[in-house]
Amino acid sequence: KNQVEQSPQSLIILEGKNCTLQCNYTVSPFSNLRWYKQDTGRGPVSLTIMTFSENTKSNGRYTATLDADTKQSSLHITASQLSDSASYICVVSAGTNFGNEKLTFGTGTRLTIIP
Amino acid sequence: KAGVTQTPRYLIKTRGQQVTLSCSPISGHRSVSWYQQTPGQGLQFLFEYFSETQRNKGNFPGRFSGRQFSNSRSEMNVSTLELGDSALYLCASSSAGARSYNEQFFGPGTRLTVL
Repeated sequence: KNQVEQSPQSLIILEGKNCTLQCNYTVSPFSNLRWYKQDTGRGPVSLTIMTFSENTKSNGRYTATLDADTKQSSLHITASQLSDSASYICVVSAGTNFGNEKLTFGTGTRLTIIP
Repeated sequence: KAGVTQTPRYLIKTRGQQVTLSCSPISGHRSVSWYQQTPGQGLQFLFEYFSETQRNKGNFPGRFSGRQFSNSRSEMNVSTLELGDSALYLCASSSAGARSYNEQFFGPGTRLTVL
């Protein structure tokens, strides 16, 4: 059964500090892994998408890493800002052909940045 | 370019009623996917429509149905509402498909409360 597990469930850090969110998956065959940011009351917004051959991808202060061997990904946030307070969702796509891929969602990490 | 729009944003219904939610994708996008998001379950895939045809379906009962029109706008219908249907319903559009490498763009969601 395909599964995506995220940790921690919630995290509180001081503004300006760095943090790392984790995503472990058991999805096969792996196609790509996505990180989304979801502000309260809004739809998710894509941060990064990584395929099997990519082991790191950055989007501003957000850097995602992927280890396809250990089936782990992390999202590192540098110099956190109050606007980073949100839920971060890891999504893994499985499949080999266009049209038959299946998305598996993690339950997210709730990040709170305090001044 | 306008984003994904969903109407209504908030809805209150009682058990046994039915409800129809609407989604307008980004112009040019032919794929529309629907998701249910609850605090306990996270994001769960309902179904995907591509060029007016349901291409993929999640594990939801037949009370949940949808359709897509020739202009790519999509509607989702839930009949015989249950308390457990209270959730945020998200719509996402893509130029290709929900189960592909192409990025999905989410709408703000419709918050459904069943009393």
